[in-house]
Amino acid sequence: AQSVTQPDIHITVSEGASLELRCNYSYGATPYLFWYVQSPGQGLQLLLKYFSGDTLVQGIKGFEAEFKRSQSSFNLRKPSVHWSDAAEYFCAVDTNNNAGNMLTFGGGTRLMVKP
Amino acid sequence: DTAVSQTPKYLVTQMGNDKSIKCEQNLGHDTMYWYKQDSKKFLKIMFSYNNKELIINETVPNRFSPKSPDKAHLNLHINSLELGDSAVYFCASSQELDSYEAFFGQGTRLTVV
Repeated sequence: AQSVTQPDIHITVSEGASLELRCNYSYGATPYLFWYVQSPGQGLQLLLKYFSGDTLVQGIKGFEAEFKRSQSSFNLRKPSVHWSDAAEYFCAVDTNNNAGNMLTFGGGTRLMVKP
Repeated sequence: DTAVSQTPKYLVTQMGNDKSIKCEQNLGHDTMYWYKQDSKKFLKIMFSYNNKELIINETVPNRFSPKSPDKAHLNLHINSLELGDSAVYFCASSQELDSYEAFFGQGTRLTVV
């Protein structure tokens, strides 16, 4: 069965520092991979997605992610974090269970930003 | 102009009651979903509908009954509410043959007391 693991439940970084959020997936076929962000009391907003092609994908708000098939990873990065980036981040894989497509989410990583 | 909208945003109710959550999308998507986010923020799919037809039903109790009157609407009715049903419920939509990107509503926080 497909699964997504985000090893870090909480991460705290200083404003202006670089950020990397880890994501590992388990899926037999070529995955469609996503990163979503959830601000407190809000819904999920798509940051970026990978379907095929260039393994380094650019997203909104200055985020990027790199797909590494050999490591089954899709880590999210940002070179300089802003206080407004504090939120919950979810990695997800789109899977098709022969009936339809659905997102399988990781457990989320809560990002806190220190001034 | 909200793409995926859910009502209500907050719902507090007593055990045993029956309640509904409504969802509408104006993106012209063919597929709609309900996801449940528990108190630990874990997100899991409950149902998906494609063109008003139930496609995915992920071992959800029979007390939960989705209904899709048309492809722009997917409502969730819950009978005999239990304390464990307290969660945030998210509606989402996507265009299956397009980018598979799911657009989410703002969520409905259900609290059963």
